[in-house]
Amino acid sequence: AQKVTQAQTEISVVEKEDVTLDCVYETRDTTYYLFWYKQPPSGELVFLIRRNSFDEQNEISGRYSWNFQKSTSSFNFTITASQVVDSAVYFCALEETGANNLFFGTGTRLTVIP
Amino acid sequence: NAGVMQNPRHLVRRRGQEARLRCSPMKGHSHVYWYRQLPEEGLKFMVYLQKENIIDESGMPKERFSAEFPKEGPSILRIQQVVRGDSAAYFCASSPLAVINEQFFGPGTRLTVL
Repeated sequence: AQKVTQAQTEISVVEKEDVTLDCVYETRDTTYYLFWYKQPPSGELVFLIRRNSFDEQNEISGRYSWNFQKSTSSFNFTITASQVVDSAVYFCALEETGANNLFFGTGTRLTVIP
Repeated sequence: NAGVMQNPRHLVRRRGQEARLRCSPMKGHSHVYWYRQLPEEGLKFMVYLQKENIIDESGMPKERFSAEFPKEGPSILRIQQVVRGDSAAYFCASSPLAVINEQFFGPGTRLTVL
């Protein structure tokens, strides 16, 4: 079973629209970390956020915000007033206690149309 | 403080040749992780190494792939007798301790097998 599911394969929005990228995870651990990474067309991975399972406070960083809901095992990512530079593939990832690696979702390709 | 460095950034090999991918972790980091990203997919864990030791190679293909992290020098991911299916982006990450929520990713090496 997938540990991290990003059901939206591709999303297109028009510039200045808001967009939410969904992430649903599965784990039996009570302590874990969740991540979001951005992969622009140039291919590198850009770290966006790390959130531990005990901190359910939503976080806002500029136009980016994250909604962590333990009850639904979701960690959704919203971009407000999207810009063309936001066009990228976005990955959600999970680290479980004692694991030696991150489990990545399959990514959501976001295209922002000018 | 330079980030994680990977070279080459792009590597082209013909079927049957060997591919050597190098990863220099961030200064002070003694833990290295290799991930593979097949086209249009998320990253998949391959191997976790500390200096001179392989800690977890559960994601490594059983044949043709090997990894090392010598006492001096970069970590090397070696693929012998490459096949077309090895074409992928290979990412390296490093962390200062065995705490992967602190890991930092390199820019990746894109391997193309002709």
